[in-house]
Amino acid sequence: EAGVVQSPRYKIIEKKQPVAFWCNPISGHNTLYWYLQNLGQGPELLIRYENEEAVDDSQLPKDRFSAERLKGVDSTLKIQPAELGDSAVYLCASSKGQGSYEQYFGPGTRLTVT
Amino acid sequence: QKEVEQDPGPLSVPEGAIVSLNCTYSNSAFQYFMWYRQYSRKGPELLMYTYSSGNKEDGRFTAQVDKSSKYISLFIRDSQPSDSATYLCAMSVDSWGKLQFGAGTQVVVTP
Repeated sequence: EAGVVQSPRYKIIEKKQPVAFWCNPISGHNTLYWYLQNLGQGPELLIRYENEEAVDDSQLPKDRFSAERLKGVDSTLKIQPAELGDSAVYLCASSKGQGSYEQYFGPGTRLTVT
Repeated sequence: QKEVEQDPGPLSVPEGAIVSLNCTYSNSAFQYFMWYRQYSRKGPELLMYTYSSGNKEDGRFTAQVDKSSKYISLFIRDSQPSDSATYLCAMSVDSWGKLQFGAGTQVVVTP
């Protein structure tokens, strides 16, 4: 079974530039999560999707961050414009959905904003 | 104050020793408790899962949950150099929702 796929693995951009991250969850997984992990910290949830619907986006900074999950499969997370403080690892995870406790994480995208 | 507190370490132990990790939390609504292992430049992977209070054992790993004290633990017996990683505790109110992670404890097992 293929795992959660994320791209790119690394991204370096200048502040004020836009950036996008892509995630393809495990086949058949209805729930998709985007987490932010700062250095030396645990992941923090940004947004959770149930199929196409964003059911928890309370932690997503909506002034600069946006996300979509068209057709309920892969997902894109965008930042525009990026700030220096956005430098972090962006993790995507997926699970089978309600009643399934295990979240499978991708390797993450390491973003550096200069 | 964070909802989940975890000592970041690093925790250095000799090969074969028992590794003891723990987290405390403040939200009494948490019912699902997990331990994830994260190697450098990788995503977290689930090690242990416990619902509510009690103990759970899986091979060299034992997870304990004490809801009355809001305290969870992970023990690794007969530690190996391959156990060197960051261990993250995580917990949630429901099984499929938001996970609240601790900061992670870096463990180094020396040969």
